[in-house]
Amino acid sequence: DTEVTQTPKHLVMGMTNKKSLKCEQHMGHRAMYWYKQKAKKPPELMFVYSYEKLSINESVPSRFSPECPNSSLLNLHLHALQPEDSALYLCASRTWGGPGRQGTYNEQFFGPGTRLTVL
Amino acid sequence: DAKTTQPNSMESNEEEPVHLPCNHSTISGTDYIHWYRQLPSQGPEYVIHGLTSNVNNRMASLAIAEDRKSSTLILHRATLRDAAVYYCILSPLTSGTYKYIFGTGTRLKVLA
Repeated sequence: DTEVTQTPKHLVMGMTNKKSLKCEQHMGHRAMYWYKQKAKKPPELMFVYSYEKLSINESVPSRFSPECPNSSLLNLHLHALQPEDSALYLCASRTWGGPGRQGTYNEQFFGPGTRLTVL
Repeated sequence: DAKTTQPNSMESNEEEPVHLPCNHSTISGTDYIHWYRQLPSQGPEYVIHGLTSNVNNRMASLAIAEDRKSSTLILHRATLRDAAVYYCILSPLTSGTYKYIFGTGTRLKVLA
């Protein structure tokens, strides 16, 4: 199973709502990533978890709160978002460690994303 | 963190080779170079990666300049299914973890 699943597929929320995005993988990966992708732009890294601990926060506003409750699950809690936060939110996972030599690559596997609209 | 620069778009005829360039003039000695591609309505998927030497796999080849300031992704025979946005990515080691910094991407159009 080389699949990363994300729920929900689509989410519409008001600026005062609280919602959560969920990401799940069962590949035994111990590094998990959240990215934000605006239309026609590249994905931008938000957070990285290594062994369920937050290792990188790319200066993301506190209205985004990540959580990694176990090695298979990654959540992104959303509160008091702004319309400019509307985007595709992508989750990815990979084996912890370096990319590896040729032929032994620890690649990132991406989920299909959650398309978020903030009204 | 070092950044990459890519052309916005390129076109290729079906069954012809495609060379997608990437500039990364501020790359650090330990940054890996990756290429991922993103089809419409999907998450990015791995294509190839390298550090210093040229690399081949079943999907593509990666040619890395000797000074590592640029690289080229080579698709040997483009098909219609290769139409996608191709991202050149650097991955520095940060806080014990590899982070992935995406370039602006090249939208590849394949003509039948």
